[in-house]
Amino acid sequence: AQSVTQLGSHVSVSEGALVLLRCNYSSSVPPYLFWYVQYPNQGLQLLLKYTSAATLVKGINGFEAEFKKSETSFHLTKPSAHMRDAAEYFCAVSDRAGANSKLTFGKGITLSVRP
Amino acid sequence: DAGITQSPRHKVTETGTPVTLRCHQTENHRYMYWYRQDPGHGLRLIHYSYGVKDTDKGEVSDGYSVSRSKTEDFLLTLESATSSQTSVYFCAIQSQGAGNTIYFGEGSWLTVV
Repeated sequence: AQSVTQLGSHVSVSEGALVLLRCNYSSSVPPYLFWYVQYPNQGLQLLLKYTSAATLVKGINGFEAEFKKSETSFHLTKPSAHMRDAAEYFCAVSDRAGANSKLTFGKGITLSVRP
Repeated sequence: DAGITQSPRHKVTETGTPVTLRCHQTENHRYMYWYRQDPGHGLRLIHYSYGVKDTDKGEVSDGYSVSRSKTEDFLLTLESATSSQTSVYFCAIQSQGAGNTIYFGEGSWLTVV
């Protein structure tokens, strides 16, 4: 069985500050890890994914995440927050990178950006 | 945009009535999914399909059924809606041509009163 833990439900940062959203996973097999973003009243958009290649993954909109097996973590970071980054962020894990993969999501974290 | 259309986008229905949500895709993807999103739970898998007439249960399938009679349509049915099924429902497809990325539709807001 797989699971994802996203501690806390809300993170608030100032515009221009570092964004750090934490994600820890549990998996009995090598995991494949994803970050999705959801803007209000929209579907989910893939930010980035780890599929066992480079441990530092760069995504869209300046976000990146680092896979750390020893810490079972896949934290999302962005050096400088923009107002447009305000959204809900979901970490997810899958047991495969190929066809018919099924995602298990964390509870999500709402990011607020203060002017 | 992965060519996913969900309908209806918003629906209010009464307890005990049947409800069907439709997911339509235009790009011939084999794998399709239905998730529900609830505060404090993230998204949870209801059912998925790996081809026409090939479906299976996900984590929270009780009270739901699905059908896929053609590649482009994946229907989610609540046989007798309950208030606990008030949620936002998302359809998703897996794009094998895009590194097996899973793309989501815009969501269907369902309120059961």
